[in-house]
Amino acid sequence: DAKTTQPTSMDCAEGRAANLPCNHSTISGNEYVYWYRQIHSQGPQYIIHGLKNNETNEMASLIITEDRKSSTLILPHATLRDTAVYYCIVRYNTGTASKLTFGTGTRLQVTL
Amino acid sequence: GAVVSQHPSWVICKSGTSVKIECRSLDFQATTMFWYRQFPKQSLMLMATSNEGSKATYEQGVEKDKFLINHASLTLSTLTVTSAHPEDSSFYICSAKSMEGGADTQYFGPGTRLTVL
Repeated sequence: DAKTTQPTSMDCAEGRAANLPCNHSTISGNEYVYWYRQIHSQGPQYIIHGLKNNETNEMASLIITEDRKSSTLILPHATLRDTAVYYCIVRYNTGTASKLTFGTGTRLQVTL
Repeated sequence: GAVVSQHPSWVICKSGTSVKIECRSLDFQATTMFWYRQFPKQSLMLMATSNEGSKATYEQGVEKDKFLINHASLTLSTLTVTSAHPEDSSFYICSAKSMEGGADTQYFGPGTRLTVL
């Protein structure tokens, strides 16, 4: 699986948009970009994933650059409950051998 | 949908005893489940991949005789930590792969905190 690079930490004011970047310059054509978050002492929570098109769901938007070498997760209106570690992971989407390998993620702190 | 449960949520045991952790996919069938371990202030580390009805595949450095994995049904996988020692104290998290809607997504359980005295 391709490696990803994320900032160690970020701050965001409550109510503002949180934009979390991720670099995955070695991503291959068949690898998807997945985002998960982990709130302290809980299991990771799936947020969103995409291949090359931008994606949006009730939690967030995922913007993938045209060359697919980077992406941005956008939380449109961050709340205190969005404080968590956010993981950007790339992996193949097929086969029983596909698995999520976690890096160190970005620790997002949402403040008043 | 796509809910994964774990039981127990926390357990304290004496050194030398064995502990079993259950992982269930509540509203979907999972042919593949994963077990992760997370030490304080570290990221999740994959321990093993289990496929229903077959032997688990362990990551390098994980002792298969110490961490017994059974995936007997499409909704249940168990991890047994045998002869637990204090260094096995950790946060154990399972994950199940859902193929709903044609998408291949892993959903995680809430985790089990194991403390070995």
